[in-house]
Parts: sequence; C-alpha cells; structure tokens
Amino acid sequence: EAGVAQSPRYKIIEKRQSVAFWCNPISGHATLYWYQQILGQGPKLLIQFQNNGVVDDSQLPKDRFSAERLKGVDSTLKIQPAKLEDSAVYLCASSPIGGNSPLHFGNGTRLTVT
Amino acid sequence: AQSVAQPEDQVNVAEGNPLTVKCTYSVSGNPYLFWYVQYPNRGLQFLLKYITGDNLVKGSYGFEAEFNKSQTSFHLKKPSALVSDSALYFCAVRDGGQNFVFGPGTRLSVLP
Repeated sequence: EAGVAQSPRYKIIEKRQSVAFWCNPISGHATLYWYQQILGQGPKLLIQFQNNGVVDDSQLPKDRFSAERLKGVDSTLKIQPAKLEDSAVYLCASSPIGGNSPLHFGNGTRLTVT
Repeated sequence: AQSVAQPEDQVNVAEGNPLTVKCTYSVSGNPYLFWYVQYPNRGLQFLLKYITGDNLVKGSYGFEAEFNKSQTSFHLKKPSALVSDSALYFCAVRDGGQNFVFGPGTRLSVLP
C-alpha cells in the first residue's frame, strides 16, 4: 500500500510570511493527524480529523494556524503569519477508525523560519 | 490526561550487546502502548504495540517490548544490537479514544 504523502519536504520562509503544507493519507484511512516536532522533542498534536470533521484542535494556535480536510481525504495545514518558533518538522499521520491501529506517518515537512 | 516519560535522552550500546530503551506511562483506563523509530529526515515508523494479552510483545526488526502494569512501564528491548539500529526511539500511549501522546524520545547509538 502507498504510504502517507507529504509535500513539500523542505521550506524556508521569512517571519511574517505564510506557508502551506499538504498531506495525502493512506487510502481508506478516515483519521488524519497533524503533528509538530521541534528539534529534540517528541511530536506534539496540532489537530486531528475524522473524515472531514475536526476531532481535536485544542493545541492548534488558531490565531496563526489553520487546517482543513474538505473532502475527507487530503489535508492542508497553513501558517500565517509565521514566527521564528514555528521552525519545526510538520508530520502528517493517518489511521483507520477505531480498533488498535498504529499511526502511519509521512516523511514530514521541515520548515525553517528566518 | 495521559503522559509518557522516557528517562534517558541517550543510550549507548556496543554492537552485539543487548539493548534496552526505557518508557513509563500514565493513563486512565487500559493503556494502548506503542514504540516508533525515527531515522534522520524521515517520519516515524511503527515498531510494535501492546493492547492486551502477553506482557512480552514482539515487533519489527527483532525488537520486543515488555509491559509491566505494576511499574507502568513498557521498555523496548533487543537481544543483539546492530549499528543500523542507531536512531531516535519514541514511546507513545493512546487513551480509549484515538489520541496519541508521545514521549520526548531516546537517541540510541550502537557503536561498532
């Protein structure tokens, strides 16, 4: 099966600019997650979707971050305006609903804000 | 709320020796526990999971993990380490829903 696809792999922007990341989950996986991984730390959940609905966005900085999954498949995560502390790897993951399935991760997008 | 601790930032082991990467957790209810590995510039790869049943769980690449309910631990083990096992390892806990919480990670270095 094809894995979770993410693009771009790398992005460098200046502070106050905007940026968007794209994720295509594994086919049939209803649940999609965006995680932020700062260097040297574990992944931190930003937002979780089930189909096209938001399950948990309690840790998403909503003043600057937004995410959508309009058709219940692909998802985009946007940052506007970016801050220096947003420099991190943004990981997308997917899993089937329910059961005990693990998360399947994409390779991430490394964002550098200068 | 659930949480995961990995008390060692770094573990060094000689090739061929057994390795252990430690993890303790806190969760209400029955724990669902996972181990992931991350190689440079890659996403996290699933190694193994504990849901219920045997306390010793076997996973990918010769790794196994021992669940200990009384000590709330889920340590990752391998009988004989390889240089290629050098990577970042994350323990994760999932509550009864679908929220995953990850530990801070442990960097494993296997020395030739």
